[in-house]
Amino acid sequence: DQQVKQNSPSLSVQEGRISILNCDYTNSMFDYFLWYKKYPAEGPTFLISISSIKDKNEDGRFTVFLNKSAKHLSLHIVPSQPGDSAVYFCAASSSFGNEKLTFGTGTRLTIIP
Amino acid sequence: DTGVSQDPRHKITKRGQNVTFRCDPISEHNRLYWYRQTLGQGPEFLTYFQNEAQLEKSRLLSDRFSAERPKGSFSTLEIQRTEQGDSAMYLCASSLDRSSYEQYFGPGTRLTVT
Repeated sequence: DQQVKQNSPSLSVQEGRISILNCDYTNSMFDYFLWYKKYPAEGPTFLISISSIKDKNEDGRFTVFLNKSAKHLSLHIVPSQPGDSAVYFCAASSSFGNEKLTFGTGTRLTIIP
Repeated sequence: DTGVSQDPRHKITKRGQNVTFRCDPISEHNRLYWYRQTLGQGPEFLTYFQNEAQLEKSRLLSDRFSAERPKGSFSTLEIQRTEQGDSAMYLCASSLDRSSYEQYFGPGTRLTVT
C-alpha cells in the first residue's frame, strides 16, 4: 500500500513563475516530512523539511506547507529557475519507526526558459 | 566533510553471482540506512544501523541479502545468488542521531543483473 502519494508524475512551469508540488499521506504516525530533489545518476539531495507541529517552513525560494487534517503537504518554489528541473520526492518519517523514510513516487519538474 | 560515498557506482553481473556494495557515511553520523530504488518508484527502505547494530530490516530484504556495519563506520550490502529482479539503484544514507530526521544520500550503486 502506498502510504505517501505524489499523484502528478510531471509538471511544467515557466521560468520565474511558481512551482507547486503536492503530496498526500495516509499514515497518521508520520510526524516529519521532507522533500528531496534528484538529478539523473545522483542520489536524492535533501531540500527542506517540516515537523508535524508546524504548518509552514520556509528556506529561501522553497516553502513547504503542511495540512495535517487533510494529510497533505506541498512544496512551493518561487521564482522557478531552470536549475530546479529535476525529480522531486516527498518523504515521511515517524519518530516511532527508527526515522526510516517512506517516499512517494516522485514528480518530474521541468522549468521552461 | 565529503558526504556519503558509495562504491562501485555501477555493477553488471550475471544471474546467480554474488555482489557486494560499500557505503561510507558522513564521518560523525551514527545512523546508516540502505534503500533500493527501481524505475518510476521512490526509494524503498531496506535496513537500518545505529552504530554497528542492525536495528531494523524490511520484508523486502530476503535471506539472499545481508548487510553489515562492523565498526560502526562503513557498511556493506551483499546480495547472494543475484536474480534479474534485483536490478535496481541501491542507495545508502546517513544521519546524525535520533534528533535529526534529515538523511543524506550517497550517489547510489546501479546494479544490472543479466
